Amino acid sequence: ILNVEQSPQSLHVQEGDSTNFTCSFPSSNFYALHWYRWETAKSPEALFVMTLNGDEKKKGRISATLNTKEGYSYLYIKGSQPEDSATYLCACNSGTYKYIFGTGTRLKVLA
Amino acid sequence: DTGVSQDPRHKITKRGQNVTFRCDPISEHNRLYWYRQTLGQGPEFLTYFQNEAQLEKSRLLSDRFSAERPKGSFSTLEIQRTEQGDSAMYLCASSSPGVVNEQFFGPGTRLTVL
Repeated sequence: ILNVEQSPQSLHVQEGDSTNFTCSFPSSNFYALHWYRWETAKSPEALFVMTLNGDEKKKGRISATLNTKEGYSYLYIKGSQPEDSATYLCACNSGTYKYIFGTGTRLKVLA
Repeated sequence: DTGVSQDPRHKITKRGQNVTFRCDPISEHNRLYWYRQTLGQGPEFLTYFQNEAQLEKSRLLSDRFSAERPKGSFSTLEIQRTEQGDSAMYLCASSSPGVVNEQFFGPGTRLTVL
């Protein structure tokens, strides 16, 4: 896996809005995808680990889907809250110990 | 165990000085990673340890960088003769064996080279 891309780079949403971001990766040699949330001055926190095509994971208001055939994952946040403001990172793995990270999506939720 | 810790959290140094950072992983994790993150970029892989063995070192690391994990527990990352381009966030992560096992990150060390 050579290149993992995330879009958008940043976005601002109003409190209560739902939003989603994209992580794109080469579909060949895919093994696993991780989503992380990284708040300022804190450690990146793991949200989801996804491996199977069609995987859907959910944690509270946050959910993620995975399409390994076309090489993308979506992260959804329903009813955004100010505490959701963070950088959301995805990282892909092709079956080794090595992870390739995207550049992240910086989310700002306005109260 | 409270997670991965890194020390110091912030370091300001003058160009040409040497700096050393420390990472204490989660105690039962045998895998340890160092990453560098610069503004607008995601974390970039620097090096990987399995127990005390350094199994891979990125081409991003010049000869001025060295990392150790002498007893398979904590790790140090040293940068010699720092340059302004070394200014970045240096992140450490650890994990247990297994490809899909999540990495647990420390809070990072932010290095500023003046």
